[in-house]
Amino acid sequence: QKEVEQDPGPLSVPEGAIVSLNCTYSNSAFQYFMWYRQYSRKGPELLMYTYSSGNKEDGRFTAQVDKSSKYISLFIRDSQPSDSATYLCASAAGAGSYQLTFGKGTKLSVIP
Amino acid sequence: EAGVVQSPRYKIIEKKQPVAFWCNPISGHNTLYWYLQNLGQGPELLIRYENEEAVDDSQLPKDRFSAERLKGVDSTLKIQPAELGDSAVYLCASSHQGFYSLETQYFGPGTRLLVL
Repeated sequence: QKEVEQDPGPLSVPEGAIVSLNCTYSNSAFQYFMWYRQYSRKGPELLMYTYSSGNKEDGRFTAQVDKSSKYISLFIRDSQPSDSATYLCASAAGAGSYQLTFGKGTKLSVIP
Repeated sequence: EAGVVQSPRYKIIEKKQPVAFWCNPISGHNTLYWYLQNLGQGPELLIRYENEEAVDDSQLPKDRFSAERLKGVDSTLKIQPAELGDSAVYLCASSHQGFYSLETQYFGPGTRLLVL
């Protein structure tokens, strides 16, 4: 079992829909939880990260972590065609940690 | 601010041939990473440099892969000889070393390698 599991999709939604992307993890040492967005033929770019449990909001994006269930979520409100990309969740241990463990990524298509 | 630069963007070679990838990190970033990303998978760390020192190369297949970061700036990743299974995207990332917070890693566009 991989330490970070993510459904690869693909996921297709109409423009304006609320998107929910999810991951689970197994390593209790993970404290940082990140979401990266990767457009086709580009490198991943960090969208946002959270530390420990809780929510974090940035514009139309909300990241949520539930450490009790080891569940990571990313919600996208009012989805746009420009949100079409692969979304990768990643986790890391303590401060100064560089070792990122990525999920497989979920490919999202937002249809106009 | 310029991002992480990688070249070439695409490379097609025959198996058993050598290949090299080049990376120029973001200016001022002392930490550099090489990742391997297979199709439909997340990136996996190959090697991490702090300045010119390889501080974690535990995931680098040393029988055929080598890397260097002379002068602590640009880096080169080499495969010799290449095998069919090496076909993947090779990503370079850089960061400012952080001891008390998460090191945000900035990725380049990657080099897409196809071994025939």
